[in-house]
Amino acid sequence: EVVLTQSPDTLSLSPGDRATLSCRASQRISTTYLAWYQQKSGQTPRLLIYSTIARAPGIPDRFSGSGSGTDFTLIISGVESEDFAVYFCHQYDSSPQTFGQGTRVEVK
Amino acid sequence: EVQLVESGGKLIEPGKSLRLSCVASGFNFGNFAMHWVRQIPGKGLEWVSGISWDSTRIAYADSVKGRFIISRDNVRTSLHLEMNSLRSEDTALYYCARGEALLSFIDYWGQGTLVAVSA
Repeated sequence: EVVLTQSPDTLSLSPGDRATLSCRASQRISTTYLAWYQQKSGQTPRLLIYSTIARAPGIPDRFSGSGSGTDFTLIISGVESEDFAVYFCHQYDSSPQTFGQGTRVEVK
Repeated sequence: EVQLVESGGKLIEPGKSLRLSCVASGFNFGNFAMHWVRQIPGKGLEWVSGISWDSTRIAYADSVKGRFIISRDNVRTSLHLEMNSLRSEDTALYYCARGEALLSFIDYWGQGTLVAVSA
């Protein structure tokens, strides 16, 4: 099973700050098979990024993904008020597909 | 509009069985793989099981293998999860979710149905 470890657990930022979220895999993952989701309090997860870099429909371009091998990154170029939430990475390269434990982006 | 509506969750005793259902609408159900993903409120996500569009390929997390059975009915556009020998650690919000394939990102999620396993 591929274990995904996200860091940091919590990111305290002010609106307008750049957010850098990390997801590290316990073994190499193809870039085709890594996604990111946003989950706001009391809501269901929302797909942000798939195949490491592809934005899902309707996702603003301040969200971008990068990475390869075992290290992947989600960047929010200028955090807006609606971006404060928990973010999860997800690998679907091998079964069982797995999720990271989440990074909470909170207001500083 | 894609809609996934789960039902069947409730408070249930350890060792008992429970069947979750999900009714899909707004898309061609038979063209997509479907999944169950669970989440302890306030905690992380755990993929539970997935089924291919034609039910020929099925996968389970190790934590539920041998106890849970996933199935689908493409005519009734429904997804099911038969949960047997329930344990306290199965307590979670269970989401029905759509994927392009058995191994794929998830592009739509239901609102979830809560299963609480307790004596």
